[in-house]
Amino acid sequence: DIQMTQSPSSLSASVGDRVTITCRASQGISNSLAWYQQKPGKVPKFLIYTASILQSGVPSRFSGSGSGTDFTLTISSLQPEDFATYFCQQYESAPYTFGQGTKLAI
Amino acid sequence: QITLKESGPTLVQPTQTLSLTCTFSGFSLSANGMGVAWIRQSPGEALEWLAIIFWDDIKRYSPSLNSRLTITKDTSKNQVVLTMTNMDPVDTATYYCAHRGPPGSYFDDWGQGTLVIVSS
Repeated sequence: DIQMTQSPSSLSASVGDRVTITCRASQGISNSLAWYQQKPGKVPKFLIYTASILQSGVPSRFSGSGSGTDFTLTISSLQPEDFATYFCQQYESAPYTFGQGTKLAI
Repeated sequence: QITLKESGPTLVQPTQTLSLTCTFSGFSLSANGMGVAWIRQSPGEALEWLAIIFWDDIKRYSPSLNSRLTITKDTSKNQVVLTMTNMDPVDTATYYCAHRGPPGSYFDDWGQGTLVIVSS
C-alpha cells in the first residue's frame, strides 16, 4: 500500500495568512493526488485533482503543486470559511489511501 | 447533477453482517470510466478508503478489510451495495459512498454519509 503522510497535523493561522500543507507519499505517485476539505459534521468537499487542477467552483486562493512523492496545498489568503480539516488522497493505485488530515484552526 | 445517498441500519450487533446501499443519480455505472467507492470515517479520525467498483465490474478492496468486504452493483437500479461481515465496535463510523469519474479514482461527489454504530 502507498502511505500518505500529511504535515503538520494541525495548524493555527489567522484570516489573511498564507498557509501551506504538505503531503508525502511513501512511493512515487506521479501527479495522481487529490485534496479535500472537510468541515465539522460535513461531507468532504473535493478541491483539487491531478495535484494542481482546481475543481470547478473552488476559489483561486487554493492551489496545489508537486509530483512524485511530495505535494503541497497552499491557501494564499485565508478566509473565515477555510478553517477546516484538509485531506490528501493518492489515486495512482489501489488501495486509494488518504492522509491523516491537517486541521486548520484559527 | 450527480447525487448519491447511503442507506442501511444505524445499529448493528457485534459479529453481524452490515449491508449498505448507495443509490445514485446523474450518471450511469455502465458508462466507461465510472465507479463508485465506499469510504468511512470513525469519529474524529481520518478518511479510510474501503472499496470501489468500476463500470466494467472490476472491484478493488482495502487489503486490511479484504476478507470482510464485498461490493456489488445493480446498474438497472443505479445502486451499489457494500457488505461487511463480522462487524466489531471498531467499525463504528460514518460510511460514505462517492462517485469516481474518469480519468482518475478521485471522488468528486459524495453522499451525505450514514452513521453505523456497532454495539450490543
